[in-house]
Amino acid sequence: GNSVTQMEGPVTLSEEAFLTINCTYTATGYPSLFWYVQYPGEGLQLLLKATKADDKGSNKGFEATYRKETTSFHLEKGSVQVSDSAVYFCALSDLNSGYALNFGKGTSLLVTP
Amino acid sequence: ETGVTQSPTHLIKTRGQQVTLRCSSQSGHNTVSWYQQALGQGPQFIFQYYREEENGRGNFPPRFSGLQFPNYSSELNVNALELDDSALYLCASSGGQGHYGYTFGSGTRLTVV
Repeated sequence: GNSVTQMEGPVTLSEEAFLTINCTYTATGYPSLFWYVQYPGEGLQLLLKATKADDKGSNKGFEATYRKETTSFHLEKGSVQVSDSAVYFCALSDLNSGYALNFGKGTSLLVTP
Repeated sequence: ETGVTQSPTHLIKTRGQQVTLRCSSQSGHNTVSWYQQALGQGPQFIFQYYREEENGRGNFPPRFSGLQFPNYSSELNVNALELDDSALYLCASSGGQGHYGYTFGSGTRLTVV
């Protein structure tokens, strides 16, 4: 079956540091890949997505590239801000699962001034 | 364009009771999914409706049931509540059955005592 594995958190960074959150996946089909962000006390917001191999999703300075050869979709940002503090979820969906989202456990990010 | 709205925002129920949670999908979206998010965990897929028909279900018992209405709004019903049902319940909607991602509501926080 499908599964998503994310790096364990929490991740603590100083403002303007470089961010990488690793995500690898297992899927039987050809999944779409997503990063969602959850701010404290809120629901999930779609951060970026990629629907086929070698696609790069980007939004608000965050980027992730769909790597089929390594089954990865790592999230990166060149310079984090305090406002980026949140929990980040990697997820996949594919036709076999009716496009239901399969989430990783989440990675908590804390950015300090 | 309105987003996904859920009601109520918070709810406290007693073990053994029944609860109904409601969701209004984003305008133009015909697919609605429900997820359960336990504290500190990633969301878990409960079920999905596409044009009023259930077209996917996760590993949840039958006491979790749902409906989608002609206007694509939805309900999640949980019977015989257990303490472990305490969680954040998220509704998400999508056009095109979710291939390009979902828009999430802010969730309903259910506490079972």
